[in-house]
Amino acid sequence: GEDVEQSLFLSVREGDSSVINCTYTDSSSTYLYWYKQEPGAGLQLLTYIFSNMDMKQDQRLTVLLNKKDKHLSLRIADTQTGDSAIYFCAESLNRDDKIIFGKGTRLHILP
Amino acid sequence: ETGVTQSPTHLIKTRGQQVTLRCSSQSGHNTVSWYQQALGQGPQFIFQYYREEENGRGNFPPRFSGLQFPNYSSELNVNALELDDSALYLCASSLRDWTDLGTFGSGTRLTVV
Repeated sequence: GEDVEQSLFLSVREGDSSVINCTYTDSSSTYLYWYKQEPGAGLQLLTYIFSNMDMKQDQRLTVLLNKKDKHLSLRIADTQTGDSAIYFCAESLNRDDKIIFGKGTRLHILP
Repeated sequence: ETGVTQSPTHLIKTRGQQVTLRCSSQSGHNTVSWYQQALGQGPQFIFQYYREEENGRGNFPPRFSGLQFPNYSSELNVNALELDDSALYLCASSLRDWTDLGTFGSGTRLTVV
């Protein structure tokens, strides 16, 4: 079946790195995503990775994919107060297919 | 270029009523997907429309229905509202078979009382 699991809460000190982890069950998924949702807002696509990649870096964001373990992580370097939000891990079979989301990880930034 | 626009932003309905939510796709996009996000949960796929035809449906009852218009805007209709239908409803538009990924709107917050 399709399922995406992620921890619900993470606290990080400002300036430190944040690492949000996720596991998924559908090995057929070719697209794996990280979305950000700020309070009262919609979903913002942060980054995505193809299933044939191991890593993708985009400025402060680094995505690591372990396809064997079906484990995805998002690292945010130099975490800022503006990074405080809920982060959703998600997968889809193909780009135009439905997206399966996890329940989200709430990132809390400590001063 | 405009993004995805949803209306209304907030709505309160009574149990048993019917509701229509609207989504204006990003310019040039021909595919729209609707998601329901209950409080504290991740979004759940309701259905997708491509060129005015339903193109995939999630695990939602038939009282959830949709339309896509020739200009690719879309409606989500929910009949016989239940308290559990209270949620944020998100639509996402995309251009099928194109390189760019879809864009989400800010959602409609529906409260059923």
